Amino acid sequence: AIRMTQSPSSLSASTGDRVTITCRASQGISSYLAWYQQKPGKAPKLLIYAASTLQSGVPSRFSGSGSGTDFTLTISCLQSEDFATYYCQQYYSYVYTFGQGTKLEIK
Amino acid sequence: EVQLVESGGGLVQPGGSLRLSCAASGFTFSSYWMHWVRQAPGKGLVWVSRINSDGSSTSYADSVKGRFTISRDNAKNTLYLQMNSLRAEDTAVYYCARSSSGRYGWSDYWGQGTLVTVSS
Repeated sequence: AIRMTQSPSSLSASTGDRVTITCRASQGISSYLAWYQQKPGKAPKLLIYAASTLQSGVPSRFSGSGSGTDFTLTISCLQSEDFATYYCQQYYSYVYTFGQGTKLEIK
Repeated sequence: EVQLVESGGGLVQPGGSLRLSCAASGFTFSSYWMHWVRQAPGKGLVWVSRINSDGSSTSYADSVKGRFTISRDNAKNTLYLQMNSLRAEDTAVYYCARSSSGRYGWSDYWGQGTLVTVSS
């Protein structure tokens, strides 16, 4: 199975900061990558698909980039509602693996 | 409005069985691939299984292969996960999710999840 490795595992930041989360695939996955946000007790929410396409209704402060094995999720100006856990997921192979998650906390 | 509602979770003893259901509405269920994803308490998301739109093709994570079976009833707009030989490590919230566009689809809608607890 393709392994997805996110870094960092946790991140402390302040409102207004710009943050970047990295996701690395163990083999090339073209642009078949999605990013999700999850808040405690809630289902995941799709943010970005095809590595860089913003899901409808998601604020433009979220952006994604990358292809092949290296991907990033950037939040340009953190808002209070952005403090959550973020996951990447590849959908290139028939085993649709997730990264281990990055918990974004308030500094 | 797209809705996915899971049910069937609960407490089961190790070695036991449970069948989860996911009732879909607000879209043409028979046109979409579907997934099950789980999340152990305090842990990350783990993909479990997927099924294509007519039920003829499935795939599983290694951790559940041979024990879990995904299926669907397109006439009832319902997705299932039959879980056998359950282990303590299967304890998790189980989510169903819709695949946006078949084989190479991201999960665009998720249910609220159902909790499965495997314990004696």
